[in-house]
Amino acid sequence: AQSVTQLGSHVSVSEGALVLLRCNYSSSVPPYLFWYVQYPNQGLQLLLKYTTGATLVKGINGFEAEFKKSETSFHLTKPSAHMSDAAEYFCAVSLGKLIFGQGTELSVKP
Amino acid sequence: EAGVAQSPRYKIIEKRQSVAFWCNPISGHATLYWYQQILGQGPKLLIQFQNNGVVDDSQLPKDRFSAERLKGVDSTLKIQPAKLEDSAVYLCASSLGRDSYNEQFFGPGTRLTVL
Repeated sequence: AQSVTQLGSHVSVSEGALVLLRCNYSSSVPPYLFWYVQYPNQGLQLLLKYTTGATLVKGINGFEAEFKKSETSFHLTKPSAHMSDAAEYFCAVSLGKLIFGQGTELSVKP
Repeated sequence: EAGVAQSPRYKIIEKRQSVAFWCNPISGHATLYWYQQILGQGPKLLIQFQNNGVVDDSQLPKDRFSAERLKGVDSTLKIQPAKLEDSAVYLCASSLGRDSYNEQFFGPGTRLTVL
């Protein structure tokens, strides 16, 4: 069975600091991997996705993620946090349908 | 380009009552999804439509939940009768194709509270 685990339900960083949100997946075959962001009272918006090819994926708003097959990970990073990055972030894996992690709430302190 | 529309945005009902949610996907998107997002959890797929046909409803509690997409465009999700554990945000999403690598576009959701 495929699943996805996000480490840390809440992450807090200072403005300008590195953002690192962790995601590990389990799958018997290489999956498609996604990161979505959800702002309060809004739907989910795609940040980036990995399907095939280059393992370092760049997304919107300066975010990127690296697919590491040996570690079954797809961590999300951003070099410098901005106040507007405060939101809920979801990692998802797909081998037919999307299965989401439980989410990580990112807080950004001024 | 207009996004995915959902209504109502909020609904409060008592247990054992019925409720219906409506979704209008992005024009031209053949695939439509309904998700349930319980507080503190990620969205869980309830049902997937391809045009007006059901692709996957394996996680839909069919004793109380039903969904339809009669003309292959907009869709309704119904709960009858509602239980306390149905309190959640119900998200509708759409995509151009049914393959799982396609980007899904989400609506703002309907927040359901069952008292």
